[in-house]
Amino acid sequence: DAGVIQSPRHEVTEMGQEVTLRCKPISGHNSLFWYRQTMMRGLELLIYFNNNVPIDDSGMPEDRFSAKMPNASFSTLKIQPSEPRDSAVYFCASSMGQGTGNTIYFGEGSWLTVV
Amino acid sequence: GQSLEQPSEVTAVEGAIVQINCTYQTSGFYGLSWYQQHDGGAPTFLSYNALDGLEETGRFSSFLSRSDSYGYLLLQELQMKDSASYFCAVRGPDGGFKTIFGAGTRLFVKA
Repeated sequence: DAGVIQSPRHEVTEMGQEVTLRCKPISGHNSLFWYRQTMMRGLELLIYFNNNVPIDDSGMPEDRFSAKMPNASFSTLKIQPSEPRDSAVYFCASSMGQGTGNTIYFGEGSWLTVV
Repeated sequence: GQSLEQPSEVTAVEGAIVQINCTYQTSGFYGLSWYQQHDGGAPTFLSYNALDGLEETGRFSSFLSRSDSYGYLLLQELQMKDSASYFCAVRGPDGGFKTIFGAGTRLFVKA
């Protein structure tokens, strides 16, 4: 399998612009997670989906952030409008849900810089 | 809620053994996992403990004590390539889907 695929890998954008991050989970996985990683806050869970349904979005920092999963093979995380404090690495990850160990497989991340 | 505590950094020499501790608080417990992350890379799964005791996978072992809400990752025969950040993570309390990570322990392996 190709693993979790994220795009773009790197993005530099100006404050106020809309940013859309994309993710294709591993085929057959039924849980999808969006994490944000910064030096100050570590790995934060933003939102996760199970069977395409958002289960917990309590980690989404504010209304500027939104996430969708229209089907089992695609998810987006959108930031509108973006701010410099949104600069971070955004990881998408997927898992088999309640399988043994519930191993989470991470994508390579989208490195976002907002200037 | 859920929270995890682990040391911020550990330094050890090549060939040595190092233990990275993790204490957790969670309202429902479905297991403790460990992940490794090299600089610039993505976290990758190392091990998982659902029951008390030691799980061994090659040079890495992980231990869990549910009564103490405590676990550790043991790395033996350290190699330079083991220099990385190590995260403990807990599942639950909603049946296991939600996984929260600790702040990570940065391991420096010296020659």
